[in-house]
Amino acid sequence: KAGVTQTPRYLIKTRGQQVTLSCSPISGHRSVSWYQQTPGQGLQFLFEYFSETQRNKGNFPGRFSGRQFSNSRSEMNVSTLELGDSALYLCASSWTGGAENEQYFGPGTRLTVT
Amino acid sequence: GESVGLHLPTLSVQEGDNSIINCAYSNSASDYFIWYKQESGKGPQFIIDIRSNMDKRQGQRVTVLLNKTVKHLSLQIAATQPGDSAVYFCAENLYSGYSTLTFGKGTMLLVSP
Repeated sequence: KAGVTQTPRYLIKTRGQQVTLSCSPISGHRSVSWYQQTPGQGLQFLFEYFSETQRNKGNFPGRFSGRQFSNSRSEMNVSTLELGDSALYLCASSWTGGAENEQYFGPGTRLTVT
Repeated sequence: GESVGLHLPTLSVQEGDNSIINCAYSNSASDYFIWYKQESGKGPQFIIDIRSNMDKRQGQRVTVLLNKTVKHLSLQIAATQPGDSAVYFCAENLYSGYSTLTFGKGTMLLVSP
C-alpha cells in the first residue's frame, strides 16, 4: 500500500510570508501527527489530529496551525514566517493515534525561510 | 541526501561488528518506548518498541534494553551492515496516551565495509 505522502518536498519562503504544507496519510489511517525537525532541537511534536479534531498540541506558538479533512488528509499552516521556522516538517499517520499504534512517517517537507 | 542532524553523537563501526546505541529518556512516567531509524532524505522508520513492564525485547538482529531505574534505553544491532548506517532516535510516550512522541536527540551510526 502507498505510504504517507507530503507535498511539496521542498519550499523556499521569505520572512513574513505564510506557508501551507500537505500530508496524505496511509489509506485507512485516521490519525495524523506533525513534527518539526531541526539540527538544534531535534524532532519536536507540533500537533495531532483525529477525525478532523485536534487532540493534542505541542509547545509551539499560535502561528503554527493545522487542520484535518474528512478524508483524513491534513494540512499545517505557518503564518508570519521567521528564519527559525526553517526545518524539516514531518507528518506521521497511524490507525487510531493510540500510543501503541505504529506511526508511519512521510519523507517530510524541507522549508527554508530566507 | 539531506542531513538530518549536524551535531549528533556518532558511532563508527566496522561491518559485522555489534553496535550499541544508548539513549537517556526524560519522563519517569513514560511507559512506552520506540526506536526509529532515519536515513538521509527519509522520514523516521519504526525499528522496535518496548513497554515499561519489560526490560528486554528482541527483534530481527535488534535488541532493546530498558533500565527504568536510571531512565536508560539501549538498542543493540547484531552483525551491523552498511545498510544500517543512519540516524537512530529513541522516543518515549505514555502507553495509554495519544501518539505524541518525545524524541531523543539521535545518534548517527556509520558502518564501514
